[in-house]
Amino acid sequence: QVQLVQSGPEVKKPGASVRVSCEISGYTFSNYGLNWVRQAPGQGLEWMGWISPYNGDTEYAQSFQGRVTLTTDTSTSTLYLDLRRLKPDDTAVYFCARSRGRDHSFDIWGQGTLVTVS
Amino acid sequence: DIQMTQSPSSLSASVGDRVTITCRASHRIVNYLNWYQQKPGKAPELLIYSASRLQSGVPSRFSGSGLGTDFTLTISSLQPEDFATYYCHQSYSSPRTFGQGTKVE
Repeated sequence: QVQLVQSGPEVKKPGASVRVSCEISGYTFSNYGLNWVRQAPGQGLEWMGWISPYNGDTEYAQSFQGRVTLTTDTSTSTLYLDLRRLKPDDTAVYFCARSRGRDHSFDIWGQGTLVTVS
Repeated sequence: DIQMTQSPSSLSASVGDRVTITCRASHRIVNYLNWYQQKPGKAPELLIYSASRLQSGVPSRFSGSGLGTDFTLTISSLQPEDFATYYCHQSYSSPRTFGQGTKVE
């Protein structure tokens, strides 16, 4: 079945960088866009960015421009999130999510990765 | 950016109740409106896409309606497993914004 399996929790100091991974299985990797969405403790969902595994096109939320990079490795069907210059406000659970077809809904989600900046 | 405003932010209901949550977009988004359910400690799950289409495997007591800027999620008869937080989400344009959530208690 379709699965998005994320890497484990991270603890980082302010100013550091973090890489979170999301390994995809169960479908052809290049056929669907992928997103990162984060959720601070007790807060709502915040979209961070999107990437096309097919051609590497990306879109980023303005609030993360310059600090975030989304990449994919097609040989391992893995999505990566790199977030730099971490601040305590970046403490959150980070989710990867697949964009489905023409409606661009997020139909499959990873289990989430807690990143703590302290 | 398109702002998504949900109401109410929380509601209290009982098993068997009919529950309605609304979502308003700051700009027209045609029918690019999706609804998700999230339970504590879990990832969100897609319930409704394209404003009114039921995701596979989702019970038929969930329904969605709306077009343009105003949308509604309805649970026809609330079940114990439906106590959760619900989010609307526009997928019309980037950034793909979410509503602030409605907690059903």
